[in-house]
Amino acid sequence: NAGVTQTPKFQVLKTGQSMTLQCAQDMNHNSMYWYRQDPGMGLRLIYYSASEGTTDKGEVPNGYNVSRLNKREFSLRLESAAPSQTSVYFCASRFQGWGATEAFFGQGTRLTVV
Amino acid sequence: AQTVTQSQPEMSVQEAETVTLSCTYDTSENNYYLFWYKQPPSRQMILVIRQEAYKQQNATENRFSVNFQKAAKSFSLKISDSQLGDTAMYFCAFMKHVIQGAQKLVFGQGTRLTINP
Repeated sequence: NAGVTQTPKFQVLKTGQSMTLQCAQDMNHNSMYWYRQDPGMGLRLIYYSASEGTTDKGEVPNGYNVSRLNKREFSLRLESAAPSQTSVYFCASRFQGWGATEAFFGQGTRLTVV
Repeated sequence: AQTVTQSQPEMSVQEAETVTLSCTYDTSENNYYLFWYKQPPSRQMILVIRQEAYKQQNATENRFSVNFQKAAKSFSLKISDSQLGDTAMYFCAFMKHVIQGAQKLVFGQGTRLTINP
């Protein structure tokens, strides 16, 4: 069972470069999320999506764009990377409905911007 | 906006002891869900326990239990008979129930728990 798959696992960018982090889930979940994890700050929500074609801003959306082209995939794009975007990025998905349904996470992407 | 606060950045206990991790949250909502996730050194996020706000009974999962105080907006995690494998970062999370639109899942800053042999 693949679950939530993120690519790449590691990436080094130069300031000003762009890149897209890919995320795909095979659990037929409707909700998907992007977080960044920094020491002492926990997981901060960047963007989230309830369904294909809809996205909402989280706590720290500046400098990022997202795309939910279909139910399986939710990508995160950095148009012009900055050192402040050095972080570990996590994608998550869950079935949204009644009840406290579990969120499933990818393995994370460690991004370094130099 | 909902916020989640974990006031203990680090904790350390001896194996077999009981430890309690604190979490408070701020919301004006009545229907919501609370979670504790564990992140071991592997970086994988693992659900430990969950609580639905409309349920008065505290959730329990084997050695893990919560003390949910809705009026105080407090959701602490108790780990009994702690084991070396419990060493990890622990995150408290909050999610408001909505009927339409996305359910936003918000995390606290985390508590790094070390179990010593």
